[in-house]
Formats: sequence, structure tokens, C-alpha cells
Amino acid sequence: QKEVEQDPGPLSVPEGAIVSLNCTYSNSAFQYFMWYRQYSRKGPELLMYTYSSGNKEDGRFTAQVDKSSKYISLFIRDSQPSDSATYLCAMTGGSNYKLTFGKGTLLTVNP
Amino acid sequence: ETGVTQTPRHLVMGMTNKKSLKCEQHLGHNAMYWYKQSAKKPLELMFVYSLEERVENNSVPSRFSPECPNSSHLFLHLHTLQPEDSALYLCASSQEIGTQPQHFGDGTRLSIL
Repeated sequence: QKEVEQDPGPLSVPEGAIVSLNCTYSNSAFQYFMWYRQYSRKGPELLMYTYSSGNKEDGRFTAQVDKSSKYISLFIRDSQPSDSATYLCAMTGGSNYKLTFGKGTLLTVNP
Repeated sequence: ETGVTQTPRHLVMGMTNKKSLKCEQHLGHNAMYWYKQSAKKPLELMFVYSLEERVENNSVPSRFSPECPNSSHLFLHLHTLQPEDSALYLCASSQEIGTQPQHFGDGTRLSIL
């Protein structure tokens, strides 16, 4: 079983839709969870960073962590064409510098 | 400039060439990282430096040789590469080793002929 599973998509939605992106993981030691957005020909850009279970909201983005189910989600409300990118989940445990990444989900938001 | 800057953005080289990738961070961070990003694969950690000392060499072949002259600069020296080394090479930094989050540059797209 892979440490982090992420559906690669591609995912195509109309503008204004609510988007749900998900990752599952197997390592119960993971405590820190991140979502990165990567535009074509650019590096990953940090979107959300969470430590505990529960929800964290930042504008149109909500990150959700369920440690009991080993499941994290990123919700995008009122999606825009500018949200079209690859979304990477990443996680690590304690003070470990080793981030474990998912393969990324390619999202396209159509005008 | 702000953030993490990588040069060159694109590099094409033959298998017998020697070239270097450069990374500079303007965030005042003490830890720097090299990652490899290949199509349809998760990011792979290659090297980690903390205050110019290497703390991780993640089973990377010796044809990749990192150098960290100070906490703001990181190099990746390349020689005798193979076609499977074609990928996007990303540099990242964090405040200290083991702290999150890591901030990434835009990478160098490397193509081996």
C-alpha cells in the first residue's frame, strides 16, 4: 500500500462549481498536512497548512483533516478558471523534514 | 527578489556534459532541499541541507553532486547523466530543518539527450 494515495484525475468542472480534492494515507504518524497548487511550468505554491483534525478555511479554500479515517480534503468554493492547476497533498510527522507527497490531481475549471 | 529563485529554467544537455543548477532563497531560511519531479510520480526528495551541512542523501546516484556554500545558496552539479534523469528539479527551503512548510522555487526543466 502506498503511503499517500491521490486520484490523479483529470478533473474538469464548470466555473462556479464546488471542487473536492482528496488524499488518503496509511502512516498514522503523519501530523502536518499541506496542500500545494502547481501551475503549469511553475513550482508548487503552498495553499493550506494544517496540523490537527478538523477544518481550516482561507477565503474560497477549506482544508479538512480526518485523522481517524486517515483522509484529507481540499474544498474550493465558487471555482474560477484561475484555479486550473495541479493540486498536491503533502504530509509529514513530528519534526520530520521528509514530506510525503501524493501524485497530484490535475484540475481544469471551464469558463 | 523574494522567495526561492532557480536558474536556469530550462536545460538541455548531452549525457557526457557537465552542468550545474543553482538555487537562491531570499527568505532567511536555514534549511534547503533538492527534489526531483517526474511525470506521474510523487515528488522525490534528493538532498537536504541544514546550515550548509548535508543531512540527507536519499540514495541518489553519484552523478548528482550537491553543494551548499551558505544558507542562501544551493547548487546541484550534474555529470554523465542518463535519459531517465530528465525531469523537473525543484529547490525548496524552510525556516529550520524539520519545520514546515517548505517553500518551492519554479524549478529547472532538465532534458537529457
